[in-house]
Amino acid sequence: EPEVTQTPSHQVTQMGQEVILRCVPISNHLYFYWYRQILGQKVEFLVSFYNNEISEKSEIFDDQFSVERPDGSNFTLKIRSTKLEDSAMYFCASKSRPYNEQFFGPGTRLTVL
Amino acid sequence: QQQVKQSPQSLIVQKGGISIINCAYENTAFDYFPWYQQFPGKGPALLIAIRPDVSEKKEGRFTISFNKSAKQFSLHIMDSQPGDSATYFCAASMKTGANNLFFGTGTRLTVIP
Repeated sequence: EPEVTQTPSHQVTQMGQEVILRCVPISNHLYFYWYRQILGQKVEFLVSFYNNEISEKSEIFDDQFSVERPDGSNFTLKIRSTKLEDSAMYFCASKSRPYNEQFFGPGTRLTVL
Repeated sequence: QQQVKQSPQSLIVQKGGISIINCAYENTAFDYFPWYQQFPGKGPALLIAIRPDVSEKKEGRFTISFNKSAKQFSLHIMDSQPGDSATYFCAASMKTGANNLFFGTGTRLTVIP
């Protein structure tokens, strides 16, 4: 069964460093999302991406964040200068059509020291 | 307006019992209401979903009840099993826009043998 994959599974970084989280969505999917989940809290929407551009973003997704689909398979989330409060699980999700189910990846745990 | 409120925060049920988790929303533009199941260290996985044109949807031991006028929906897990022990999130999304999901705060279900 096709699945969304994410790398790395755990990333530890120093405050102020740049990190790139990588996702490989399901191959025929066209809509891509990043969500985050701070430990013990709910899953929060960050950004959606369709047709090579951001379609919607939340208040959390400020100028420190960016997304890219550098090739036909990868979808990346970059945090330019990490803060302690960026420590969270980051989930990538994708879906094939507008009203279909979103499939989530296993997540990347980001720890900012 | 975008909030989805979920209760209870945690739930302990005996094996074979019924687990009930409730959610409420404010935004009448929401038109898709999924429930996600999350095991520790994993991403959320879709369990069952409903649209507001029906009041109930059943898949195996899992049932969603939907009350459009009250803007509430609930998940019922019949014959709960220890393997159902997980965190359950309700969510909602709108037909317009990027269809990003707004999640509830989660319910940690423990089914004791």
